[in-house]
Amino acid sequence: QKEVEQNSGPLSVPEGAIASLNCTYSDRGSQSFFWYRQYSGKSPELIMFIYSNGDKEDGRFTAQLNKASQYVSLLIRDSQPSDSATYLCAVTEGGGADGLTFGKGTHLIIQP
Amino acid sequence: EAGVTQSPTHLIKTRGQQATLRCSPISGHTSVYWYQQALGLGLQFLLWYDEGEERNRGNFPPRFSGRQFPNYSSELNVNALELEDSALYLCASSLEAGYSNSPLHFGNGTRLTVT
Repeated sequence: QKEVEQNSGPLSVPEGAIASLNCTYSDRGSQSFFWYRQYSGKSPELIMFIYSNGDKEDGRFTAQLNKASQYVSLLIRDSQPSDSATYLCAVTEGGGADGLTFGKGTHLIIQP
Repeated sequence: EAGVTQSPTHLIKTRGQQATLRCSPISGHTSVYWYQQALGLGLQFLLWYDEGEERNRGNFPPRFSGRQFPNYSSELNVNALELEDSALYLCASSLEAGYSNSPLHFGNGTRLTVT
């Protein structure tokens, strides 16, 4: 059974610091990796996706992928109170057939 | 551009009844996915529809079913409701069948409560 593991937190980070969120996955066939942000009572919102090993940057967000270690992370620079949310890691083999497999999420709290 | 829309926002049913949830994808999106988000369990894949056909389903019993209409909107039906079916049901759409170029975009969900 495919598994995606995340530390549930809460992860508390001071405002302006770098927040580091980690995710490991069990299926070596996973090809695509996604980070979603979910505010309490709201639906998940796509932040970033990454397919290749290495880093991918988008504004204050950087996704990092290491397929050999089956590890994907999300860095949030200059953290803001509005970044406080649950961050969901999701993986898939691609092609749509298997659906996205989600982790249970990490609850991030940015302290003003 | 309108996002994924779901109705109703909230639904309260009693055990044994049937529930029908509806979803309209983003215009131009042909694939619709249903997920269940129960407390403490995270998002669980339920069903995938593309071009009017059920393409795959997750590890859920047959009383969870649905369909996709010619306009690509979708309906999720849950028969013989059980208390543990209480959850947030999320619909998502993507531009094409595959994730490499078209990540999922979620609706705001339907909160189903079974009493």
